[in-house]
Amino acid sequence: AQSVAQPEDQVNVAEGNPLTVKCTYSVSGNPYLFWYVQYPNRGLQFLLKYITGDNLVKGSYGFEAEFNKSQTSFHLKKPSALVSDSALYFCAVRGDSGTYKYIFGTGTRLKVLA
Amino acid sequence: GAGVSQTPSNKVTEKGKYVELRCDPISGHTALYWYRQSLGQGPEFLIYFQGTGAADDSGLPNDRFFAVRPEGSVSTLKIQRTERGDSAVYLCASSLRGDSTYEQYFGPGTRLTVT
Repeated sequence: AQSVAQPEDQVNVAEGNPLTVKCTYSVSGNPYLFWYVQYPNRGLQFLLKYITGDNLVKGSYGFEAEFNKSQTSFHLKKPSALVSDSALYFCAVRGDSGTYKYIFGTGTRLKVLA
Repeated sequence: GAGVSQTPSNKVTEKGKYVELRCDPISGHTALYWYRQSLGQGPEFLIYFQGTGAADDSGLPNDRFFAVRPEGSVSTLKIQRTERGDSAVYLCASSLRGDSTYEQYFGPGTRLTVT
């Protein structure tokens, strides 16, 4: 079955510290993986994606994510967190080959403390 | 440039009524998606359009839900005989093409409340 798991409802990190938001997935075929961010009272915004190639992908606002095929993970990372990074983060994966169905995780709320 | 727009931003309706939710995608985007997001959950896929046709409607929960995109641009999600369980934020997204390598651009959503 197709699925995405974000095991942490909330992640707290001090400003300036590195952050990680976890995501694991289960799909058949090659995974197309995405991270989106949702700020209060704003729509979902694209951060980065993994389609093929280098396992480390870089995206907007200094975020990066590492694709790990053996662990079926796509964790979001940033070397130094900012208070303005506080938001709701969603991991998404395109479902089984032959469909256009995207599956989103339940979201992880990131809180960066000053 | 203009992003994805959705109208209305809020809709309150009584149980059993019919509602229409509108999505105006980014100009030139051929792919359009509808999602439903309940409180504390991620977006749940409803339907995908490539051009005018619904290429994947596997996420529509039942036959009360229907969507159209007659000219390949604006789309309307239609819900008949609304139920309280339909209350959610309905999101629309568009992308340049339906190729899954393209990211989606989301609208602000329509908050539907069924009383």
